[in-house]
Amino acid sequence: RKEVEQDPGPFNVPEGATVAFNCTYSNSASQSFFWYRQDCRKEPKLLMSVYSSGNEDGRFTAQLNRASQYISLLIRDSKLSDSATYLCVVISSNSGYALNFGKGTSLLVTP
Amino acid sequence: SQTIHQWPATLVQPVGSPLSLECTVEGTSNPNLYWYRQAAGRGLQLLFYSVGIGQISSEVPQNLSASRPQDRQFILSSKKLLLSDSGFYLCAWIPGAYEQYFGPGTRLTVT
Repeated sequence: RKEVEQDPGPFNVPEGATVAFNCTYSNSASQSFFWYRQDCRKEPKLLMSVYSSGNEDGRFTAQLNRASQYISLLIRDSKLSDSATYLCVVISSNSGYALNFGKGTSLLVTP
Repeated sequence: SQTIHQWPATLVQPVGSPLSLECTVEGTSNPNLYWYRQAAGRGLQLLFYSVGIGQISSEVPQNLSASRPQDRQFILSSKKLLLSDSGFYLCAWIPGAYEQYFGPGTRLTVT
């Protein structure tokens, strides 16, 4: 079983829609959690960290449920510029704190 | 400010040829450095990480190798490329709090 799993999508939504992405992880010793954004043919860029208490950054809200080993990202009022692949990322204490990536969820926001 | 450089940006190499990709970091000292590969249709895979000069840990056995000759330099090499080595190679480093930042990447096509 892959350590980090995401629904690959694609998610096609109209501008202004709310969209939610889910992610599960298998290593119960995982310590840190993030969402990254990757545009086509570009490097991934950190979108936001994910905390147990939940956190919000503008239109983006991230949630972590350690008991269920589940992470979510909610995007409200989608913009065309939100079109990208969203990567769920987990860090465990092994492998020198390297990132474990899900395969990503593709989002296309249409006019 | 800290920045991370990679070169070349793109590379087309025949099967069996050697490879050398370079990554350098500016504005920090003794960073943890990482090499990832993203193959077409697949997630990012950790290849190597280094916590200091001359210290290399390999995550995936393959025909690639890595070296860290200087504190802020990380090199990915191969003696003989395979078709399966094609992909997007990303160097990353940790500035703190486990967040990782990526270089612009090298897109390698093995023909």
